[in-house]
Amino acid sequence: GIQVEQSPPDLILQEGANSTLRCNFSDSVNNLQWFHQNPWGQLINLFYIPSGTKQNGRLSATTVATERYSLLYISSSQTTDSGVYFCAAREAGTASKLTFGTGTRLQVTL
Amino acid sequence: DGGITQSPKYLFRKEGQNVTLSCEQNLNHDAMYWYRQDPGQGLRLIYYSQIVNDFQKGDIAEGYSVSREKKESFPLTVTSAQKNPTAFYLCASSLTESSYEQYFGPGTRLTVT
Repeated sequence: GIQVEQSPPDLILQEGANSTLRCNFSDSVNNLQWFHQNPWGQLINLFYIPSGTKQNGRLSATTVATERYSLLYISSSQTTDSGVYFCAAREAGTASKLTFGTGTRLQVTL
Repeated sequence: DGGITQSPKYLFRKEGQNVTLSCEQNLNHDAMYWYRQDPGQGLRLIYYSQIVNDFQKGDIAEGYSVSREKKESFPLTVTSAQKNPTAFYLCASSLTESSYEQYFGPGTRLTVT
């Protein structure tokens, strides 16, 4: 099955800094999602982005499907951005299963 | 409000007891999913259901059972056969099985001692 790897595993930022999180996947995908898991465990949908670029406020994401990676950009980080960011992908031609990476744990400090 | 609800938020059980976790959605989604998350890990798929009265095993189905009698409900039973049941359990849904974006409930933390 598809492999999903995220980097870096941990990231500490000062408030106001920018960051880039990376997600590599091993096969062609028909679903690529980015989630933010808050301290209470809730998974918040950030982007559904199997290809192309999307922006939502201070967050943006780009997936280059042909090169099998996706990037999540966080600009002007805030303490509320802290948590774990997960990338999840579904292999093209398969049914249902989203494979999750192990996440990037982000801590934004004052 | 449309969304996915899971109850209870925290659940404690003694070893050897079966326990059922609730998942309800009012999004009119056809497909529903159960995932397990262990500390510091990503999510792993337990079971999924594409339509009512139909479900398939995911990667780690052993020791779990599900039912899908209603479109809006997909309860998960953690049986005594599950060797390491203590975990965070998340339910998700999507419009259809082939509609790719999944949405998640708030999760249930199960502790078995």
